Amino acid sequence: GIQVEQSPPDLILQEGANSTLRCNFSDSVNNLQWFHQNPWGQLINLFYIPSGTKQNGRLSATTVATERYSLLYISSSQTTDSGVYFCAVVRGSGGSNYKLTFGKGTLLTVNP
Amino acid sequence: NAGVTQTPKFQVLKTGQSMTLQCAQDMNHNSMYWYRQDPGMGLRLIYYSASEGTTDKGEVPNGYNVSRLNKREFSLRLESAAPSQTSVYFCASMIDRGTGELFFGEGSRLTVL
Repeated sequence: GIQVEQSPPDLILQEGANSTLRCNFSDSVNNLQWFHQNPWGQLINLFYIPSGTKQNGRLSATTVATERYSLLYISSSQTTDSGVYFCAVVRGSGGSNYKLTFGKGTLLTVNP
Repeated sequence: NAGVTQTPKFQVLKTGQSMTLQCAQDMNHNSMYWYRQDPGMGLRLIYYSASEGTTDKGEVPNGYNVSRLNKREFSLRLESAAPSQTSVYFCASMIDRGTGELFFGEGSRLTVL
């Protein structure tokens, strides 16, 4: 099956710093999402981004499908950005063949 | 807009007891999923329903049953709970398997003593 690798596994920042999280995947995908799991355990949708670039406030994401990676940029980080960031990809050719695979996540800690 | 709603949010069971986790979505999605999340193990798929009337096993189905009651609702049942089923359970839905965004419920924390 497809492999999804996220890096770095852990990241500690001071408030106000910028960061880049990476998601590499081993095969072509139908779609890709980024999620944030906050310290209370909620899984929040950040981006649905099978290709291209999107921005939402201080966060932006870029997926280069042909090179099989996606990047999540966090600018001017805040303590509320702390939590685990997951990348998830869907691969398949239709019907029951679709499979959703999650990366293991990047644990981000933003210190005040 | 409620999205995906799970109940209960917290539950404590004794070994051998049964319970059902309820999930409902109001986004007219066809596909629904149950995941469990354990420390260091990430999200693991228990069962999914690609469309109303169908259910299929995921990675870790043993000890669980599911029912796709209608297009909105997808329940997960533990017939005889075991301590190994202590976990956080997430329900999720997607417009169609392979298409669109996956949306999660807020999670249900289950402890089996």
